[in-house]
Amino acid sequence: AQSVTQLDSHVSVSEGTPVLLRCNYSSSYSPSLFWYVQHPNKGLQLLLKYTSAATLVKGINGFEAEFKKSETSFHLTKPSAHMSDAAEYFCVVTLISSGSARQLTFGSGTQLTVLP
Amino acid sequence: NAGVTQTPKFRVLKTGQSMTLLCAQDMNHEYMYWYRQDPGMGLRLIHYSVGEGTTAKGEVPDGYNVSRLKKQNFLLGLESAAPSQTSVYFCASRPTGSETQYFGPGTRLLVL
Repeated sequence: AQSVTQLDSHVSVSEGTPVLLRCNYSSSYSPSLFWYVQHPNKGLQLLLKYTSAATLVKGINGFEAEFKKSETSFHLTKPSAHMSDAAEYFCVVTLISSGSARQLTFGSGTQLTVLP
Repeated sequence: NAGVTQTPKFRVLKTGQSMTLLCAQDMNHEYMYWYRQDPGMGLRLIHYSVGEGTTAKGEVPDGYNVSRLKKQNFLLGLESAAPSQTSVYFCASRPTGSETQYFGPGTRLLVL
């Protein structure tokens, strides 16, 4: 079975400092991995995705993530946090065994707070 | 192009009442999904559809039914609402050949 673990439920950073949101996955297959962001009372927006091409993936708003198969990790980073980055972030893996349905398995989320 | 829309945005039900949540997408996507989001648990898949006229169970299907009579619409029904179904419900759709799902804005449901 596939699973996703987000190692921190809450992360606080100061504006202008780096952001690191950690994600580990468990999968018997080569996974497809995603990071989604959810701003308060909003839907989910795709930040970036890894689908077996380059291991360093660049997304929107300056975020990037690196797929490390040896560590089964897909951590999300940003060099300099902005106040508008405050949101909840979800690490997601595609359930390959679901066939064409491509069901998503979500991590429990990391709430990012950006302090002025 | 409105993307994925959900109706209603917010609803309060009494235990035992029924209701239907509507999801509509104008992107001609084959695949559609219903999720629920509860605090500290991420999103969990309720039901999904791989095309018009087809539906399948996800991780937490009990107490819900779905229908996909038209390609652009995916309905989620609660026949007899329970307080445990208080949640935020998200619909998503995905085109064939892509693994990216596009989410609607969500429906907040409170069951008293």
